[in-house]
Parts: sequence; C-alpha cells; structure tokens
Amino acid sequence: SQQGEEDPQALSIQEGENATMNCSYKTSINNLQWYRQNSGRGLVHLILIRSNEREKHSGRLRVTLDTSKKSSSLLITASRAADTASYFCARNLEGSNYQLIWGAGTKLIIKP
Amino acid sequence: DVKVTQSSRYLVKRTGEKVFLECVQDMDHENMFWYRQDPGLGLRLIYFSYDVKMKEKGDIPEGYSVSREKKERFSLILESASTNQTSMYLCASNAPGGSTNEKLFFGSGTQLSVL
Repeated sequence: SQQGEEDPQALSIQEGENATMNCSYKTSINNLQWYRQNSGRGLVHLILIRSNEREKHSGRLRVTLDTSKKSSSLLITASRAADTASYFCARNLEGSNYQLIWGAGTKLIIKP
Repeated sequence: DVKVTQSSRYLVKRTGEKVFLECVQDMDHENMFWYRQDPGLGLRLIYFSYDVKMKEKGDIPEGYSVSREKKERFSLILESASTNQTSMYLCASNAPGGSTNEKLFFGSGTQLSVL
C-alpha cells in the first residue's frame, strides 16, 4: 500500500500533557502535511514540511521529518481540551503533481 | 479567509436516486477536489478539476461523475446511488500557481446516507 501509516490509532492523555503522533511512508516525497479534523467536520491544514526541511513550528505544534527513516512526527505541547480531534498526515504521491496519499489518522482525546 | 462551502451537511437518499453534491469556493482557486472518507481508510480521491470543464479521475471514480461549469463551483454526481456510497464526502480546493498537492482548504463535509 502507498498509504501513509499513522500511529497510534488512538491516543488519550490528560490536559496539559504533550501528545506525539507519528506518520510513516514508503516512497520519496516532496512534502508532507498534517491536518486536523474535529468530529464530523472538514479538515483544517496545520503544517506543511518539505523534504529538505527537518523541523517546523507553529504555535504549540512541532513537526519533524526524517527522510532517511521515511517518517514524520507531530508534537502538540501543553495539550488542551480543544485539541481533541483526529489528526491526519498526507504526502504527495511520487510522480504525481496532484495526488495526496492520506493516512487513516490518529484520534486524540484530551481528558480535562 | 478562504471559504469552501458544501451545500448540505446531511443527506439521506434512496438507492437508485440521482444525487448532486455541490461545492463552492470563494478564493478563485483553480484546483478543486472531491474526496470520500470512510472509517479506517483515510481520505480517497474521487475526482479533481484543475480548470473549468477539466477533470481528472482519482482513485475511486466508479459510480461518480463531476461537473465544473464555473471556476468557483465543483459538483459531484452520483448517477444511481447505492448503499456502498454511504460515506462522508469532502470537497477541497487549493491555491493557483503552486503544486496541486500543497495546502488544501476543505469544506465542512456532507454525510450521505443511502438507504
């Protein structure tokens, strides 16, 4: 399968703790993106990281990319109840200029 | 902010009905996409369009067609709805000039149930 693989499938932590989600893939990429989806809603873009970048930050979000291991991580620091959502990674399909390959997502629950 | 609007949040249709899902974006984006989302499967691309009247098949086009008569509007058509088309349908668009597989803006989704 060319799908990205995310782990864990589900993660439940206490408010204030850090949450780490991982995404692995099998072929070369130009970029990798992370999205958030609140229950029953559309997806919201969080961060795009390019293959020549190793780390990007946006507020409490930190994304790393290790192209040698073909993996990326999304870290949410000091989690809040509002961070409860599903998180998806998406990467471009090698040889295609439009296809994104999506993982099945990590469901994150922040307990108050 | 970019707004992508899908006409219905919830739809219930009967097997064999013709179903239209409408999507409108307000930021002059050239690229528009239709995905379906099923639990445990992530998002799968049905069709995308890179210009008015232009379309490309995605991974799962069977049973679907699309229409793009105006730049801002991209319609997904289920010619004869079947129960296996019960799903969440997501429309997306992205900015002109860049690669089509960069940042996507999504609508809120349409949960379609086919009975």
